[in-house]
Amino acid sequence: SQTIHQWPATLVQPVGSPLSLECTVEGTSNPNLYWYRQAAGRGLQLLFYSVGIGQISSEVPQNLSASRPQDRQFILSSKKLLLSDSGFYLCAWSDRRNYGYTFGSGTRLTVV
Amino acid sequence: GNSVTQMEGPVTLSEEAFLTINCTYTATGYPSLFWYVQYPGEGLQLLLKATKADDKGSNNGFEATYRKETTSFHLEKGSVQVSDSAVYFCALSDQAGGTSYGKLTFGQGTILTVHP
Repeated sequence: SQTIHQWPATLVQPVGSPLSLECTVEGTSNPNLYWYRQAAGRGLQLLFYSVGIGQISSEVPQNLSASRPQDRQFILSSKKLLLSDSGFYLCAWSDRRNYGYTFGSGTRLTVV
Repeated sequence: GNSVTQMEGPVTLSEEAFLTINCTYTATGYPSLFWYVQYPGEGLQLLLKATKADDKGSNNGFEATYRKETTSFHLEKGSVQVSDSAVYFCALSDQAGGTSYGKLTFGQGTILTVHP
């Protein structure tokens, strides 16, 4: 069966520090991968998506970047965090054959 | 572009009451429609989905029907429980024909609180 792992679950980082959030998928190959952010309140915003290794599309300009070094690994990064980067970050994958979407359990990032 | 408009919350109900959360959408082509649920402190879980007009998605007493003529996908449940308290998100996917990127566009979410 397919599973998605996302870590860490909680992170508190100072302003100006770097960030690396990792997401891995098991049990499938060549998935679409996504990073979403849920800011204070509850709206969800698509940050990045990837349809293959090394292929990253950005939805909004921001202080973050994403990489996909392996087929089932998706990394969200920042060189210098801002206070406005605080939020709940969700990784997700979809199988293009059955239109299903599965989300990870999320990372709550607080920038202080 | 695509957009999803959801009923403003929060919604507060007594146990066993009837629930409706309205959702309307704007999209080109024939999107797939979804309802996701988020329990406190957790990620999103797929509640139900419909991939074409007139399809009805259902799960654990929740239902929603894909209405192309009214561009709606309202969520309903006949008798809510305290355990249904959560945030509910309506979403659409621009994935059509299995060749697109499957990006999800979400509504703003509706907080549901059910009291005993």
